[in-house]
Amino acid sequence: EDQVTQSPEALRLQEGESSSLNCSYTVSGLRGLFWYRQDPGKGPEFLFTLYSAGEEKEKERLKATLTKKESFLHITAPKPEDSATYLCAVPQAPGGGNKLTFGTGTQLKVEL
Amino acid sequence: SAVISQKPSRDICQRGTSLTIQCQVDSQVTMMFWYRQQPGQSLTLIATANQGSEATYESGFVIDKFPISRPNLTFSTLTVSNMSPEDSSIYLCSVVSGDGYTFGSGTRLTVV
Repeated sequence: EDQVTQSPEALRLQEGESSSLNCSYTVSGLRGLFWYRQDPGKGPEFLFTLYSAGEEKEKERLKATLTKKESFLHITAPKPEDSATYLCAVPQAPGGGNKLTFGTGTQLKVEL
Repeated sequence: SAVISQKPSRDICQRGTSLTIQCQVDSQVTMMFWYRQQPGQSLTLIATANQGSEATYESGFVIDKFPISRPNLTFSTLTVSNMSPEDSSIYLCSVVSGDGYTFGSGTRLTVV
């Protein structure tokens, strides 16, 4: 069964203090790994899709990387507006439809 | 990427009643997904809705409790029936879009 584990569960950073969030996955035949940002009471907002080990994608202060077992979301010089829950997800293996399996998320708080 | 309009954004309902949630997509899509996000938890797939066929429900979710309508390729509804306080959650619809999945803004349901 596909599994996605995120760590840490919660992270508190000072503004400008860079850090990384981890997403470990177990899936038969990775067909992509997705990162989302979710603000309280809102739906997840798409950030990145990664398909193969070694791939990297960047958007403003965020950079996502992928290995064969895990993905990292690096946050460089974060600002308070980066505070949110960050979710990663993988599509289920072929035959499982296009369903996503989500991790439990990392709740990020960036303070002044 | 697709844009999803989800209604209502929130509701407070009496136990034993039903609530129907609507999702309208600005483009035609084959599959629509319905998720539940219980307080402090990640997203759990309820069912996958294809136009012209019955929805496919995940383990633990049944049609009598969560009937789904998919009358055309841009619209779907999820009904939460005979509600109890345990149904208090955020309900989200989602579609495959572009390089990932797009989510509606969510319906925050509180059952009292």
